[in-house]
Amino acid sequence: DAKTTQPPSMDCAEGRAANLPCNHSTISGNEYVYWYRQIHSQGPQYIIHGLKNNETNEMASLIITEDRKSSTLILPHATLRDTAVYYCIAMYNTDKLIFGTGTRLQVFP
Amino acid sequence: NAGVTQTPKFQVLKTGQSMTLQCAQDMNHEYMSWYRQDPGMGLRLIHYSVGAGITDQGEVPNGYNVSRSTTEDFPLRLLSAAPSQTSVYFCASSYGDRNYGYTFGSGTRLTVV
Repeated sequence: DAKTTQPPSMDCAEGRAANLPCNHSTISGNEYVYWYRQIHSQGPQYIIHGLKNNETNEMASLIITEDRKSSTLILPHATLRDTAVYYCIAMYNTDKLIFGTGTRLQVFP
Repeated sequence: NAGVTQTPKFQVLKTGQSMTLQCAQDMNHEYMSWYRQDPGMGLRLIHYSVGAGITDQGEVPNGYNVSRSTTEDFPLRLLSAAPSQTSVYFCASSYGDRNYGYTFGSGTRLTVV
């Protein structure tokens, strides 16, 4: 699985868009990009995933660059409840989900 | 659907005691996994299973045993608890299809004294 790199922490004002970057420069053509988050003390939560195309669901949008070497998770209107650690994971086989260190997003009033 | 159910939610063990953490899912998921999360740290994979009768080691398997006799259940056994196993344990499951993510349980908080 490709290594991913994320900034350790980010801040975002409530109501604004939160844009969380992820670098996966060694990603192979068949590896998907998955995003999870973990709100304090809770179990992680799946957010969204993509292969090549941009994706959107009720939680977020995922923008993957054309060369697939990086992606951005967008929370369009961040709320205080979005404060969490966000994990970007690139993988092909989904039997083993391995977490990195993620980005700690702090949404402030 | 109850999702992924973990029991107990809290447990205190004495060093050397054994116990089993239970994990059950009702979503007919083939893949199941166990993680531990130490205070202020990230999630580390202990063991995982891709179906009934099939298990494999993750990143930190020492001190833990698993078995998968049914699709629904994936218990984690601590044979002889040590203080270093004080942690929060999460169970997760997935269809095993790349178009679906994992669903996690709410965790078991284990303290070994």
